[in-house]
Amino acid sequence: GAGVSQSPRYKVAKRGQDVALRCDPISGHVSLFWYQQALGQGPEFLTYFQNEAQLDKSGLPSDRFFAERPEGSVSTLKIQRTQQEDSAVYLCASSSSYGTDYTGELFFGEGSRLTVL
Amino acid sequence: DQQVKQNSPSLSVQEGRISILNCDYTNSMFDYFLWYKKYPAEGPTFLISISSIKDKNEDGRFTVFLNKSAKHLSLHIVPSQPGDSAVYFCAATSLKYSTLTFGKGTMLLVSP
Repeated sequence: GAGVSQSPRYKVAKRGQDVALRCDPISGHVSLFWYQQALGQGPEFLTYFQNEAQLDKSGLPSDRFFAERPEGSVSTLKIQRTQQEDSAVYLCASSSSYGTDYTGELFFGEGSRLTVL
Repeated sequence: DQQVKQNSPSLSVQEGRISILNCDYTNSMFDYFLWYKKYPAEGPTFLISISSIKDKNEDGRFTVFLNKSAKHLSLHIVPSQPGDSAVYFCAATSLKYSTLTFGKGTMLLVSP
């Protein structure tokens, strides 16, 4: 597709359930980011991939959060044993620039809104 | 500790007037600054950026000013249009590290 696609758009989970959020970046984009946006806050960095390599996962809030991008394209963010504080919009972004050419200009998807009851 | 601060949660401006959105940062390692615009139920979209080696960058109705000594940047929109009504996020990065740090956003409302 033309833009970054995320699914599901909305997810309601019971506390303790596992969830998986999918991101299809723009074709050919090397860099892929996951951000978490809580209500009334700005996006907060979770993790960064350059192709299939996860170069930075310093923003993942706990070991219940796991992200992968096995073939350097589609990425999945998995949250195990969800808690109420995990309720947020999870944004995926991709970029064609990376390394010394990185510009900071990211293309964001519409986000996956997770509500944990 | 917030490294990028947008102290005004909201701003209301009349159509045709200037909108000025402000942003402060604390991390001296930041060397590139960006503004993103977000409509409801959509992801943020890139608007304009500025490198720390410049103090001004202009793109049509949008101009970003950077004051490094004050660790302050601002986005000017002239003239403001109702379609500019959105949440504006200031973001900063060190190009060495490839991650963006965002402020909390300022909701701009431009009334006809």
